[in-house]
Parts: sequence; structure tokens; C-alpha cells
Amino acid sequence: QQQVKQSPQSLIVQKGGISIINCAYENTAFDYFPWYQQFPGKGPALLIAIRPDVSEKKEGRFTISFNKSAKQFSLHIMDSQPGDSATYFCAASKGSGSRLTFGEGTQLTVNP
Amino acid sequence: NAGVMQNPRHLVRRRGQEARLRCSPVKGHSHVYWYRQLPEEGLKFMVYLQKENIIDESGMPKERFSAEFPKEGPSILRIQQVVRGDSAAYFCASSSDLQETQYFGPGTRLLVL
Repeated sequence: QQQVKQSPQSLIVQKGGISIINCAYENTAFDYFPWYQQFPGKGPALLIAIRPDVSEKKEGRFTISFNKSAKQFSLHIMDSQPGDSATYFCAASKGSGSRLTFGEGTQLTVNP
Repeated sequence: NAGVMQNPRHLVRRRGQEARLRCSPVKGHSHVYWYRQLPEEGLKFMVYLQKENIIDESGMPKERFSAEFPKEGPSILRIQQVVRGDSAAYFCASSSDLQETQYFGPGTRLLVL
């Protein structure tokens, strides 16, 4: 019940295209859903996060869509750039002072 | 405004030796989390500490692994008698009392020969 499932495992997109990564969770106690970006040899960096009281959150080219009834959330990267090539992790937690449960990661490649 | 600092960045140990990984959280953060990332895998929670207290160690292997976050100084993750399966990247994250956002350090990459 603690799992977060992420898909696809890898994704190749052309420059300017839209990248979409999906996650599904089981534990309805989760109330905080961040996305992290990780470059090779670096630590994960917070990209954007959402709480279940909103269905969408946008920051620049990055948008999270959240479907509470389906227990799914997704990351959309608009106008994808080669510099976006990285591994993306979705995660979930029960809020402040609790562990993050991560998805398996999506390796995104944006071709020039 | 320094972020989470971890050292060493790379650590090589032979089987049976001890590994000590250090983490200095963001200034003012009192919550520290340790995660492990095996090659080509996601991050797995190990332990959550507040100053001088272990809050959740449910992800920590029962033997050989220990963690502390003393009143003064960095948090330490200690692995005794390392085995090859301990080879991984170990990440520390910190958060404040007021926010759920966890900020990650650059990680320590442990290689056991």
C-alpha cells in the first residue's frame, strides 16, 4: 500500500514536444506529491509539487495534473528542451515529517 | 544560503570495513532523512531523524546500519562490515518544521570492493 508506480521507464521526445510522465499511488493517506529531477551524478532537485486539494499546478513549462479519485498524477513538460534530459521521479508522502515514497523513475531524453 | 552538504562525495571501501557518511542539513532544518539509490533504481527510504532522535528507521537494514543526528554536528550514517551489496548512492535530505519539502544533498557514492 506504500507503493508509487511510475511510467514510462524511459521516454524520448523531440525538442519542442510535450513530455508526459504518469504516476499512480495506492495509499489514500498520501497528501503531498512532489516531482524531482535528477541529473547523472547529482542529487534529486525539487521541480514542482502538488497537494490533493487542487487538480492542476503550473510552474513555467512544468505542469502537474492530479486526479484524486483515480489516485493518479502526472507531469507535463511543455516545449521540451535538450537541457530537460534527466531522470524524473514522482514521490508521495503523508506531509510534513514523513518519508517520501518514490516511483521507479523515468529517463527522459530530448533530442535536438 | 548553503544547501544540504554531504561528504565524502565518493567513498571506496573493502569488504568488512566501515563506512561513515556525513550530512549537514540546510541551516535551520531539524529534520534529516537518508535514502539509498541502487544502480538504475529509484530512491528507497532508510531512516528519518530529528535532532538527537530517530523518528522512523523502518527502511534501515536491521544489522550493520546505524544513524545518528547529534545536537551538535552533522548527521552520520554508519555502515559496519560493508559488503558488495552496499555499493550505492546514499542521499541525505533535510526539511524544516514548517514545510514538507525535502531538499537533497549531492549524495555519497559508496563502492565496496
